[in-house]
Amino acid sequence: DAKTTQPTSMDCAEGRAANLPCNHSTISGNEYVYWYRQIHSQGPQYIIHGLKNNETNEMASLIITEDRKSSTLILPHATLRDTAVYYCIVRPPLGNTGKLIFGQGTTLQVKP
Amino acid sequence: DGGITQSPKYLFRKEGQNVTLSCEQNLNHDAMYWYRQDPGQGLRLIYYSQIVNDFQKGDIAEGYSVSREKKESFPLTVTSAQKNPTAFYLCASIGGQGDTEAFFGQGTRLTVV
Repeated sequence: DAKTTQPTSMDCAEGRAANLPCNHSTISGNEYVYWYRQIHSQGPQYIIHGLKNNETNEMASLIITEDRKSSTLILPHATLRDTAVYYCIVRPPLGNTGKLIFGQGTTLQVKP
Repeated sequence: DGGITQSPKYLFRKEGQNVTLSCEQNLNHDAMYWYRQDPGQGLRLIYYSQIVNDFQKGDIAEGYSVSREKKESFPLTVTSAQKNPTAFYLCASIGGQGDTEAFFGQGTRLTVV
């Protein structure tokens, strides 16, 4: 019962921007959008999160639509080391975390 | 350094034996989670705990048990009732205030032979 839908896989050329979409049409008003990535056989790593506004950090940018029903994670200059599975999840702020559900994620393959 | 530690990294057990996977965090986090991951699949929630001495079933709790006697520890027992226990197991915790992110351990790969 994942609350998000992501494409199963995507390819990206090295040095180009990788745009990973996520649909979360049932998101509630107090739920944040989080992105994590998992490199093979390791624990997932936090990338970025947001509520309404677009966010940017040293790793990526997060674009959230005005209706908050979808978002896009942007890796501006993908490298081979960005090859991983990317998970988009939604959850409320602390104090009501409840289940933390991950979907299948998107396998991003960065190609030389 | 604060973090979340899973041990051991690799674990082998004979079929029919119970086995307990360790998850310890020194982040002072209230919420802790256990996930199972099969090859090529996403993370599936087994159990979670939002506070000491309390825990809830996730989506695939059958054949597993947990305890939360201390804030920093959330061990997972894979019982003989779990039909297909071989998998990669991940533990996570969330704490702090507001919209903090989840921290994950590095996982335990359990192989039952």
